[in-house]
Amino acid sequence: GAGVSQSPSNKVTEKGKDVELRCDPISGHTALYWYRQSLGQGLEFLIYFQGNSAPDKSGLPSDRFSAERTGGSVSTLTIQRTQQEDSAVYLCASSQPRLAGYEQFFGPGTRLTVL
Amino acid sequence: AQKVTQAQTEISVVEKEDVTLDCVYETRDTTYYLFWYKQPPSGELVFLIRRNSFDEQNEISGRYSWNFQKSTSSFNFTITASQVVDSAVYFCALRDTGANSKLTFGKGITLSVRP
Repeated sequence: GAGVSQSPSNKVTEKGKDVELRCDPISGHTALYWYRQSLGQGLEFLIYFQGNSAPDKSGLPSDRFSAERTGGSVSTLTIQRTQQEDSAVYLCASSQPRLAGYEQFFGPGTRLTVL
Repeated sequence: AQKVTQAQTEISVVEKEDVTLDCVYETRDTTYYLFWYKQPPSGELVFLIRRNSFDEQNEISGRYSWNFQKSTSSFNFTITASQVVDSAVYFCALRDTGANSKLTFGKGITLSVRP
């Protein structure tokens, strides 16, 4: 399809394990965002990639979180040594800043459950 | 700092009633964009509308209408003749014109439309 895709859709892991979440943005979109949606916290910005520029990591909650974007397309969000408070839905969005007034298109999210 | 307040957390109406979802924002920017997104039970965020800070015209799209008032920093959303399919969580968001253009979301309003 033409939308943002994310995998896996659901991930259950044990506390202390590492997880990787994947995002495939809309083809041609240069901007990519990760957000986290957790109960009581709403939607929080995590990290932003734009083209080849250095990412804006200002929203990452701790150094256990990292993300990379290869070839200006697919992005992977990695959470090391997961904790129960990491349980949330992780949403990816992409946009093409030069078109459509910066509207961000969201993927379906990955629901992460840390036991 | 950017802030979006959606004071209503849950609203329940009977089908065909009109309902207004409130959104109040704070920003120091003179140029900014406001958004409404819908998140149905399936979980994917669906874009509804974008409004820039220089355009205070109200907008109507079918049963949806939006009232933007800079004087009160509000961007309210009205659904006329609500339907069961309108049941969802609705998020108001503010995008600044800074380098990362991230969205700052309100905590969302859960709307339940009963038949």
